[in-house]
Amino acid sequence: QVQLVQSGSELKKPGASVKVSCKASGYTFTSYAMNWVRQAPGQGLEWMGWINTNTGNPTYAQGFTGRFVFSLDTSVSTAYLQISSLKAEDTAVYYCARDFELRMRAAAGIYYYYYMDVWGKGTTVTVSS
Amino acid sequence: SYELTQPPSVSVSPGQTARITCSGDALPKQYAYWYQQKPGQAPVLVIYKDSERPSGIPERFSGSSSGTTVTLTISGVQAEDEADYYCQSADSSGTYKVFGTGTKVTVL
Repeated sequence: QVQLVQSGSELKKPGASVKVSCKASGYTFTSYAMNWVRQAPGQGLEWMGWINTNTGNPTYAQGFTGRFVFSLDTSVSTAYLQISSLKAEDTAVYYCARDFELRMRAAAGIYYYYYMDVWGKGTTVTVSS
Repeated sequence: SYELTQPPSVSVSPGQTARITCSGDALPKQYAYWYQQKPGQAPVLVIYKDSERPSGIPERFSGSSSGTTVTLTISGVQAEDEADYYCQSADSSGTYKVFGTGTKVTVL
């Protein structure tokens, strides 16, 4: 079955770095992009961006540029999220989520829509001195 | 940046109907998707393309769209439906995804 397995919880000190992994199984990894979503304690979902698993090209949402890096290792069907110079406000659960492409034909051509159909269980990152 | 607005909370008695709205300027151009999140769990997709239900999602979950507002309806609410619900869509260009502010559904 389609599955995204994320790495375990992390406890880091401010200023350190962390790398979260998301291993895909049950489908062809490069056929679907991967999203990353953050959820701070008691807060809502924030879309961080996505990475094209064919080209490795990332797109970052506003507020997630600079310290946040998406990467891939297609040989092991795994996506990574690296956060550098950690701050207390980075404390959150980080989810990876597969990007499903919906193609709609219209008179003007083909339109593409994307949503998150399969999610990992999340990785808790705690930043504390 | 683009925002989707939801009511913070909705309370409903078992067997009644819960309606959760989500408003955003780009919703006439972009589809909406709905996710259910129970405490300590990852979100689960319950509606896609405004009103389609993924396999395995109960028929009591439905979605609709009108102008700049989309609505998730849970008919015949059950205790197990108590959760946070998030709408999700994209900006008008389709480049950036966005989540709604989230709605906590409480079953009385």
